[in-house]
This record gives sequence, C-alpha cells and structure tokens, in this order.
Amino acid sequence: QVQLQETGPGLVRPSETLSLTCSVSGGSMTSYYWNWIRHSPGKGLEWIGYVFSNGNTNYNPSLKSRVTISVDTSTNEFSLRLSSVTAADTAVYYCARDSLDGHFDSWGQGALVSVSS
Amino acid sequence: FLLTQPHSVSESPGKTVIISCTRSSGSVVSNSVQWYQLRPGSAPTTVIFADNQRPAGVPDRFSGSVDGPSNSASLTISGLKTEDEADYFCQSYDTTNHAVFGTGTKVTVL
Repeated sequence: QVQLQETGPGLVRPSETLSLTCSVSGGSMTSYYWNWIRHSPGKGLEWIGYVFSNGNTNYNPSLKSRVTISVDTSTNEFSLRLSSVTAADTAVYYCARDSLDGHFDSWGQGALVSVSS
Repeated sequence: FLLTQPHSVSESPGKTVIISCTRSSGSVVSNSVQWYQLRPGSAPTTVIFADNQRPAGVPDRFSGSVDGPSNSASLTISGLKTEDEADYFCQSYDTTNHAVFGTGTKVTVL
C-alpha cells in the first residue's frame, strides 16, 4: 500500500514562495501521475497540477504562472513550489497519486499552510 | 468548465440522498466522473470512479451515474448512516487532462 506524506513550513509570508515536499513510500513512482491538490473552506478542492514520473508536468491554468512541480524518483519524492503567495493561498495542501483507474487513489494526510505576515 | 453541486443536503438515517453535479460546458459523458468523500481532519477518499465504479471497500450503498441530456452526474447514497456525514466532491477532466473539482456538497445526517 503506497503512502504519501507532505512536509514543509506551515507559515509563509505574503509575496514569498511556498515549498512542500511529498515523500512516497511502499511503492514505485514509475508510470504514475503525482498531483498536488489544495482545500480551503472558501474554495473547496482545487487541483494545482501534476508531474509524471518522467518529469512531464501539467498545471491548473489559473495557477500556472506561479507553480512548479518536480519529481525525484531516486529519492521517491516530488515537490511543489508556489510563488508570490497571498492570503488566498492559505489552504490544506495534499499530495495525491493518480491511479491507473483514473482517480486519486492515494493521498497524504495534508499540510496546512497559512500565508500571513 | 464548472461542476456545480448543491451546497448541502440533509436526510434521516436509513433514507436516500442524491447529489447532483452539473457540468457547465462540454459533455459530461466525454470524461470520467469521480466522487470523493472528505471528512474533517482526514484525507479525501474515493467513493466512485469512472462514473459508476466503486473502489474495494466502499459499500454498495454508494452508487454513481451520468446523464447526458441533463449534462450531469449523480451520487446516490442509500441506507444513510451517521458515518456518511461528510463533504462530497465530484471531479472530472477537461480536454487537456486538467482535473476539475465540483463545488462540494455537505451531507448532514439528521
């Protein structure tokens, strides 16, 4: 059973860059899509983007100018960078695997990130 | 496109609730629809994928369907239990493989 765990700062200053890492254990990263999704009370669930195991990426158009997602299969990790954050980026950030059945079948527990000065 | 859901639904234990998910543009039958359950403090879990498939471990009280003429998908929860109280989100994809989530529905078991 694959397990995912998000790590990173819980507080980010406005205009700075949010950085999170997702550690994957119990399974291979090869041939899967690895996603970042966030949840905020006011906006519900929002898909941020994914990185395929070969490094190809696809981002939410509304966030594309500020997002970078990368993968390191040698360390079984993938990462999110979101630049120029504002209070609107305050949310619980989840990493998730897109299964071969086309749904997000494995999720991390979520990391609360607050944007505040 | 947008996926619009009712903000909330309420029903008594043992009853049935149906949650709709209406796609604003494009055809709902063109891309698979998934449903996720989100309880406070927990990660989302899949209750329906590929329009009407249940992952292992999800009870058959949960069922999904898609209706082309209304351009909407539905999640039906029958035999409602207190443990079903949660937020439910539909999700689909656009033509460039971007995932889109619905607005979310809070299910309250009275």
